[in-house]
Amino acid sequence: NAGVTQTPKFQVLKTGQSMTLQCAQDMNHEYMSWYRQDPGMGLRLIHYSVGAGITDQGEVPNGYNVSRSTTEDFPLRLLSAAPSQTSVYFCASRSDTNYGYTFGSGTRLTVV
Amino acid sequence: GQSLEQPSEVTAVEGAIVQINCTYQTSGFYGLSWYQQHDGGAPTFLSYNALDGLEETGRFSSFLSRSDSYGYLLLQELQMKDSASYFCAVPGAGSYQLTFGKGTKLSVIP
Repeated sequence: NAGVTQTPKFQVLKTGQSMTLQCAQDMNHEYMSWYRQDPGMGLRLIHYSVGAGITDQGEVPNGYNVSRSTTEDFPLRLLSAAPSQTSVYFCASRSDTNYGYTFGSGTRLTVV
Repeated sequence: GQSLEQPSEVTAVEGAIVQINCTYQTSGFYGLSWYQQHDGGAPTFLSYNALDGLEETGRFSSFLSRSDSYGYLLLQELQMKDSASYFCAVPGAGSYQLTFGKGTKLSVIP
């Protein structure tokens, strides 16, 4: 199994550009989440999903959109990139019977 | 809201035992998790405690006291590869929203 796959691994954007960070899992997990990690801030929840067609906001949702059309995929969209969105983004998933999340390897995003 | 407090840095000697503490404030409690993250890597799940007491998994153990809103991660027989950041985390209502502490950077020295 591949687990949780995130693409791209690195990205540089100009202010105002939009892009989609891809996340796919092959473990048939119901729950998926997006986190951003900034130095000294830990991981902060952006959006999460409890199943296909169901999404909700986390702690820091502004400037990001998500959708969950299938169980496997949970893309994160940056609508108009800002330098404050420079961060490392992690996608994670878990099943409803296991409390441990499996994380992807992350996307390192720089907005200039 | 939810908040977690853990020390920012801990240094310990190879072969020794180290304890990383975590105190939390939550509106509802569903359990305490621990994650390990090496520099440049992704977090990996270590343990989950829903009930009071000690859970042991090899060299790592995790303890929870719900009455004290407190838990700790205990690492025994420290190895250089244990140098990493360790995060405690609590799930929110429904148990699928995780709130993380800011992490404790553990440095293991020879």
